[in-house]
Amino acid sequence: QVQLVQSGAEVKKPGASVKVSCKASGYTFTTYGITWVRQAPGQGLEWMGWINVNNGNTYYVQNLQDRVTMTTDTSTSTAYMELRSLTSDDTAVYYCARGGLSPDFWGQGTLVTVSS
Amino acid sequence: DVVMTQSPLSLPVTLGQSASISCRSSQGLVYSDGSIYLNWFHQRPGQSPRRLIYKVSNRDSGVPDRFSGSGSGTDFTLKISRVEAEDVGVYYCMQGTHWPRTFGQGTKVEIK
Repeated sequence: QVQLVQSGAEVKKPGASVKVSCKASGYTFTTYGITWVRQAPGQGLEWMGWINVNNGNTYYVQNLQDRVTMTTDTSTSTAYMELRSLTSDDTAVYYCARGGLSPDFWGQGTLVTVSS
Repeated sequence: DVVMTQSPLSLPVTLGQSASISCRSSQGLVYSDGSIYLNWFHQRPGQSPRRLIYKVSNRDSGVPDRFSGSGSGTDFTLKISRVEAEDVGVYYCMQGTHWPRTFGQGTKVEIK
């Protein structure tokens, strides 16, 4: 069965960076891209970006593109999302999901808390 | 960016009755392959979103046939017939046609 398992919760200080992992199983990793979505406390879903697992091409939402980097490691079927220069506004649950046009399977989410 | 506007934002429903959620896009959603990548997701409190409907009207495996999606152009609808207690939560539409992909604000469904 398809599964996306994300890394555990993180607490970071303002100005720091965080790297969230998303390990895929149950399908051929290179067949689908990976989408990243975040959700601030009590808020809706915010699409962050997408990575083509085959060639590493990425598309980031404009307001994050200077601070975010999405990568993959095909040898371990793992996707990564790194966010730099964190502020309290980045406190959110971060999700990875399989696919880009119609993300179908989602990870369990990773809570990132930014606090001094 | 394509703006996705959902209504209503809050929807109290009676068990066994039907409910409809509207999602309007600020521009058409036809992709280069001719498909319309309008998706619907359901999120229960503390859980990850779950895809219910893809490409306007295709129900995902395991999704009850009480859920149906329809629409064209810039107007789309999710209908839940015979609402059950497990249907509570927030419903989001999302367009996957244009960059960046965008979500609607979400519609919170609760039982009266």
